[in-house]
Amino acid sequence: AQKVTQAQTEISVVEKEDVTLDCVYETRDTTYYLFWYKQPPSGELVFLIRRNSFDEQNEISGRYSWNFQKSTSSFNFTITASQVVDSAVYFCALRGGATNKLIFGTGTLLAVQP
Amino acid sequence: NAGVTQTPKFQVLKTGQSMTLQCAQDMNHEYMSWYRQDPGMGLRLIHYSVGAGITDQGEVPNGYNVSRSTTEDFPLRLLSAAPSQTSVYFCASSLKSTSYEQYFGPGTRLTVT
Repeated sequence: AQKVTQAQTEISVVEKEDVTLDCVYETRDTTYYLFWYKQPPSGELVFLIRRNSFDEQNEISGRYSWNFQKSTSSFNFTITASQVVDSAVYFCALRGGATNKLIFGTGTLLAVQP
Repeated sequence: NAGVTQTPKFQVLKTGQSMTLQCAQDMNHEYMSWYRQDPGMGLRLIHYSVGAGITDQGEVPNGYNVSRSTTEDFPLRLLSAAPSQTSVYFCASSLKSTSYEQYFGPGTRLTVT
């Protein structure tokens, strides 16, 4: 069975603080794909990043960075120097190699206060 | 490109009524899917399609039907609406499969009374 756990339901930070959103996954597949999506208050879902299981290199994109660790089955997302515009629900998702189903975590609501 | 479009944006149904949520994409994507989003539950897959004429069930398919007669369109049918189907519904598409990023439509907010 595949599962994604986002244990942090809500996080509140003050602008300019760094914040890490946790994602822990379960799968028996050796080939799999991990994703992060952002859902701002307007409601649309925006793709942020995709990682496949063979690529453990961490990724940085501006203030965003992702730490993929197969040893702990985690794919954590860090926002550096958070801004109010980062306020959103963030979803982690997993696709096992043998299935075309994308399984989402329950999401983390990030509130960045000015 | 319009991307993924969904109609209607809002809908109120009475218990027992049927309706179709429309979804279309103009990116020539093979893979399309429907999710429902409920508070505290994340997004759950209802049905998906890997190409015209091919559909399969997701995590929560009961009470819903789909068909894929063309690459562009993937309508979701509620056969007999129930209050438990009150939710926000998202349609998504990706190039070939879920190993690629998915593009989401704006969502349909459905209330069943």
